[in-house]
Amino acid sequence: DTGVSQNPRHKITKRGQNVTFRCDPISEHNRLYWYRQTLGQGPEFLTYFQNEAQLEKSRLLSDRFSAERPKGSFSTLEIQRTEQGDSAMYLCASSLRGNSNQPQHFGDGTRLSIL
Amino acid sequence: GNSVTQMEGPVTLSEEAFLTINCTYTATGYPSLFWYVQYPGEGLQLLLKATKADDKGSNKGFEATYRKETTSFHLEKGSVQVSDSAVYFCALVDRGETSGSRLTFGEGTQLTVNP
Repeated sequence: DTGVSQNPRHKITKRGQNVTFRCDPISEHNRLYWYRQTLGQGPEFLTYFQNEAQLEKSRLLSDRFSAERPKGSFSTLEIQRTEQGDSAMYLCASSLRGNSNQPQHFGDGTRLSIL
Repeated sequence: GNSVTQMEGPVTLSEEAFLTINCTYTATGYPSLFWYVQYPGEGLQLLLKATKADDKGSNKGFEATYRKETTSFHLEKGSVQVSDSAVYFCALVDRGETSGSRLTFGEGTQLTVNP
């Protein structure tokens, strides 16, 4: 049973550059979530997909952020024109569609550092 | 809106001590409640869950009971081990919202267990 996989594990970039992260969910999971976690805080919801449809976006997701899940399998999260405040851990999670009791399974995250 | 409040940390205990981490919540609907654990450098792992009032979730010696009357979901363990050292997050999914099962997390509690 392979879990949720995220790449890269770490990303260091200069302010103003674009970055893209990838998430591969558990294969039979049709829901996929992105969260952001800053140091010493709990994760905050960014967006989620059911299959290939992006059904909800948080107000935290500015227009510099875009997420896709083109074939309902893996997902990418892109940040354009990165800013210092984007430095955080970006977590991906997946779950089965169903009622809200279905637990979300998390990857190990991508840590983004903006120089 | 929804929110989760955890006891202030960090918490430092000796091995075999009793653990309680307090968690209270505010939800507009009827939430499911979760505890997640995060080890250093890793993503979040589901520890236990409870989906309705008076349910008790348990796993690996940890327990938490869903108390609707006090809107609480306190985490307990009778005898902690050094390997339990981690950050613990209380979280909810509010079934009353059309929120796609987004998780709302508390700020986390750092637990350190000394030999």
